[in-house]
Amino acid sequence: DQQVKQNSPSLSVQEGRISILNCDYTNSMFDYFLWYKKYPAEGPTFLISISSIKDKNEDGRFTVFLNKSAKHLSLHIVPSQPGDSAVYFCAASSGGGADGLTFGKGTHLIIQP
Amino acid sequence: DAGVIQSPRHEVTEMGQEVTLRCKPISGHNSLFWYRQTMMRGLELLIYFNNNVPIDDSGMPEDRFSAKMPNASFSTLKIQPSEPRDSAVYFCASSPTQTGWSSPLHFGNGTRLTVT
Repeated sequence: DQQVKQNSPSLSVQEGRISILNCDYTNSMFDYFLWYKKYPAEGPTFLISISSIKDKNEDGRFTVFLNKSAKHLSLHIVPSQPGDSAVYFCAASSGGGADGLTFGKGTHLIIQP
Repeated sequence: DAGVIQSPRHEVTEMGQEVTLRCKPISGHNSLFWYRQTMMRGLELLIYFNNNVPIDDSGMPEDRFSAKMPNASFSTLKIQPSEPRDSAVYFCASSPTQTGWSSPLHFGNGTRLTVT
């Protein structure tokens, strides 16, 4: 049973436009959410995170929104750049993260010129 | 600043053989995690250690899988005997904190395992 779900395996966006990646979770104990970015033949790298006490966190072109009532979060990238083409993983944790992260299956973002 | 180092990068072996994957965490990190990535299941947590002690191995799929962390700078994941369904990319990750998220997990580049 997937506790973190990314329902879009892939997403294609034109360069310069906004990319919106979505993630849903089922475990109400999750209190910290992260996005990781992964290039081929490399490990995932941390991108941005948000605590459950917030509903928005921004870092440059990247913004994560959290809707606790809907158990939904999203990652906005604006403007999208060719280097953003990668697989994006949504991840969640509870209790401070000592038990590791639960990941979604990922969304492959393709930025078209 | 060296990141998490995994070896080998690629491993091809025949069914029934023993496979050992290796990981060197970032110096000073006291938590170490082993993940497996497959198309069907995405990234799954197999086992994690804190201060070299295994804390939770409930994600280890079968008794054929075992992991050790003999010291703070080295961990192994062993599969014996290996089976074709073990084919996946195995990631090691480390973190400097047991609780709190002052710094998230840092992943190695993974070992791609193919069992024929």
